[in-house]
Amino acid sequence: DQQVKQNSPSLSVQEGRISILNCDYTNSMFDYFLWYKKYPAEGPTFLISISSIKDKNEDGRFTVFLNKSAKHLSLHIVPSQPGDSAVYFCAASGQDSGNTPLVFGKGTRLSVIA
Amino acid sequence: DSGVTQTPKHLITATGQRVTLRCSPRSGDLSVYWYQQSLDQGLQFLIQYYNGEERAKGNILERFSAQQFPDLHSELNLSSLELGDSALYFCASSHGTGNYGYTFGSGTRLTVV
Repeated sequence: DQQVKQNSPSLSVQEGRISILNCDYTNSMFDYFLWYKKYPAEGPTFLISISSIKDKNEDGRFTVFLNKSAKHLSLHIVPSQPGDSAVYFCAASGQDSGNTPLVFGKGTRLSVIA
Repeated sequence: DSGVTQTPKHLITATGQRVTLRCSPRSGDLSVYWYQQSLDQGLQFLIQYYNGEERAKGNILERFSAQQFPDLHSELNLSSLELGDSALYFCASSHGTGNYGYTFGSGTRLTVV
């Protein structure tokens, strides 16, 4: 039973437009959420996170939105750049994500077309 | 370079064999996590060690085992290998005090033939 779901395996976006990646979760005990980016032949790298006490967190071109009532979060990338082409994983955890195992979704492959 | 080192990068072995994957965590990190990524699957949590002791267990098969040594490096042992064990195996480490999740290594690609 998948606790973290990324229902879109892939997404294509034109350079300069907005990319929106979605993630749903089922475990109401999750209170910390992260996005990781993965390039081929590399491990996932941390991108941005959000605590359940917030509904938005922004870092440059990346913004994560959290809707707790819907158990849904999304990652917005504006403007999208070709270098953003990668697989994006949504992950969730209890508090102190540094010491509790993260639960990951299956990932969404983003292709930004120049 | 993330600071987490995994060796080997690639491994090809036959069914029924046993292999050992090695992970050196980032300097100062006490926790080591092992994840498996199979085709079309997300990152599946296998096991976590913290300062030498097992801390959490996920969907790890009985044929798999792990340990963390006094110098904090960790090894994942996979035995009686089956074709379905072919996957990317990632190690990650964390210090445990921040809110930035883990630092991942670049993975070991295991192919069982």
